[in-house]
Amino acid sequence: KNQVEQSPQSLIILEGKNCTLQCNYTVSPFSNLRWYKQDTGRGPVSLTIMTFSENTKSNGRYTATLDADTKQSSLHITASQLSDSASYICVVSAQNAGNMLTFGGGTRLMVKP
Amino acid sequence: GAGVSQSPSNKVTEKGKDVELRCDPISGHTALYWYRQSLGQGLEFLIYFQGNSAPDKSGLPSDRFSAERTGGSVSTLTIQRTQQEDSAVYLCASSLGGTTEAFFGQGTRLTVV
Repeated sequence: KNQVEQSPQSLIILEGKNCTLQCNYTVSPFSNLRWYKQDTGRGPVSLTIMTFSENTKSNGRYTATLDADTKQSSLHITASQLSDSASYICVVSAQNAGNMLTFGGGTRLMVKP
Repeated sequence: GAGVSQSPSNKVTEKGKDVELRCDPISGHTALYWYRQSLGQGLEFLIYFQGNSAPDKSGLPSDRFSAERTGGSVSTLTIQRTQQEDSAVYLCASSLGGTTEAFFGQGTRLTVV
């Protein structure tokens, strides 16, 4: 069964600090992995996509990594801001056409001043 | 429309009543997902539609839950004999296919009193 697990479930950090969120998956055969950000009261929005051949990708202060061998991804947030407070969701898709996306449970990040 | 539209945005219902939640996906998107998010919890998969294939209903929590997707477009999620534990935000997402980015609606906040 395809599964995506994220850790930690929740995290509180001070403004300006860095943090790293983890995502482990068992989805196979792997196609791509996306990190989504979900602000309170909103639907999730895609931050970045990682394909099999990509090890790292940055989007501003967000840097995603992918290790396809160990089936792990991380999302690193640098110099956190209050607006980074949100849920971050890891979503993995398989290569087979029509296969559904598998969502992780998300990490709830709170950035405090 | 330009994005995924869900209605109503908020619904308060009495325990034991039936409710219908509606999702209008992005035009042309063949994949449609229903998720729910209880207070402080991660996304919980409910059901997945992909084109004309039989839907994946493996996430539906009980037989009180059902969903339809008519004409490959609009979807309705029906909850019969609502219970207080059904209170959650119900999110709908659509994508071009199983491996592409999912776009979420704003969700329907269901409160069962």
